[in-house]
This record gives sequence, C-alpha cells and structure tokens, in this order.
Amino acid sequence: DAGVIQSPRHEVTEMGQEVTLRCKPISGHNSLFWYRQTMMRGLELLIYFNNNVPIDDSGMPEDRFSAKMPNASFSTLKIQPSEPRDSAVYFCASTPESGFYNEQFFGPGTRLTVL
Amino acid sequence: GEDVEQSLFLSVREGDSSVINCTYTDSSSTYLYWYKQEPGAGLQLLTYIFSNMDMKQDQRLTVLLNKKDKHLSLRIADTQTGDSAIYFCAEGDDYKLSFGAGTTVTVRA
Repeated sequence: DAGVIQSPRHEVTEMGQEVTLRCKPISGHNSLFWYRQTMMRGLELLIYFNNNVPIDDSGMPEDRFSAKMPNASFSTLKIQPSEPRDSAVYFCASTPESGFYNEQFFGPGTRLTVL
Repeated sequence: GEDVEQSLFLSVREGDSSVINCTYTDSSSTYLYWYKQEPGAGLQLLTYIFSNMDMKQDQRLTVLLNKKDKHLSLRIADTQTGDSAIYFCAEGDDYKLSFGAGTTVTVRA
C-alpha cells in the first residue's frame, strides 16, 4: 500500500484565496483525521471522520474551515478565505477499525503558506 | 497538547543512549505512545505501552512507565544518526490522541 496520500505537498497562496487540501486514506481504514502542526501550538486535531461521517469537529478553528469526506477513499479540507495565521503543516491520518491500540498512519503533510 | 509535556530539545553523541521524558495528565489512558517524525514527513508510531506495564523493550528502544508519577520515558540505546528526528509522546483512548509538543533529538558525531 502507498500509505496515506496528501496533495499538494506545498501550497503558497495569498490572503483571501480559497485553499483545498486533499487526502486519500489507506484502503480499508475507516477513520480519518485532519491535524494542523505549528511551532506555537504543536499538533492539533481539527476533525475526525468515522465511516465517512464527521464525528468530532470541535478542533476546527472557525467557519472559514470546512472538511468533507464524500467516500471512503477521499477527503478534503478547505479554507475560505485563507489568512496568514493559517500557515502551517496540515496532516491527514487514518486508522483501521480493528486493533486494541490507536495507531494512526500519517500522510507526509501539506505545507501551507498564506502570504 | 497541554495535557502532555515534554522537553523540546535533546543533543546526544552518536553511540550514546538517548532518554526522552514525558509527563501526562490523563491517568485513564489504556495505552501511551511514542511517535517519530523525520524531516519532511508525517508522524510514525514508534512504540506503545499498555498502561498496566512498567516497561517494554523492543530492540534498541526501552519504554518506562511510572503511573504514580504519570511519567513516560523513551530510551534509545546506541543512538545513530538515523535517530535524529522529533519524538512525540501521546496519550488517549478511543480515537482521540493528545500529543506533546515533541522533542527534537539531534545526534552529533
């Protein structure tokens, strides 16, 4: 398996523009997470999907952020409009349903820079 | 996360042992974890320990858990240049993990 796939790997945009980040989880995994990593706040959970349904979006910063998971193999995180403070590395992670412990498989991340 | 604290930096000479420490607040976590993040990559599970255990050894890695003090440590024996990375302590059950800020380990020759 190729692991969790994220695109783009790098995104540079101007303030006010719409940004869409994409994620393909590992096949057969039924849980998907979006995280944001910054120097100031570390790794923050933004939203968690289980079987394509958003279960916990309490970490989504504000209405400018939205996430969707239309099917088991694809998810998007959208920021509209983007602001400089959104600059961060955004990770997608997935886990299988079975298992006693919570091993999350992370993608390589998207480094977002908002000018 | 504010529930998990760890020191930010560690510098170690190649061949020496590295010890990374972590304190956590949620005593109900069934498992505690160490994740590793190499430059430009996502986090990868390195090892985990069941909360009823005091110690777990896996090749060069030794995890020690002191539940009374809510203290977790990761020891890497014979540290190599490939061990240079950020190491995250994490706790949690169900789906939600709380990660520490990460300890950047630098291995010098």
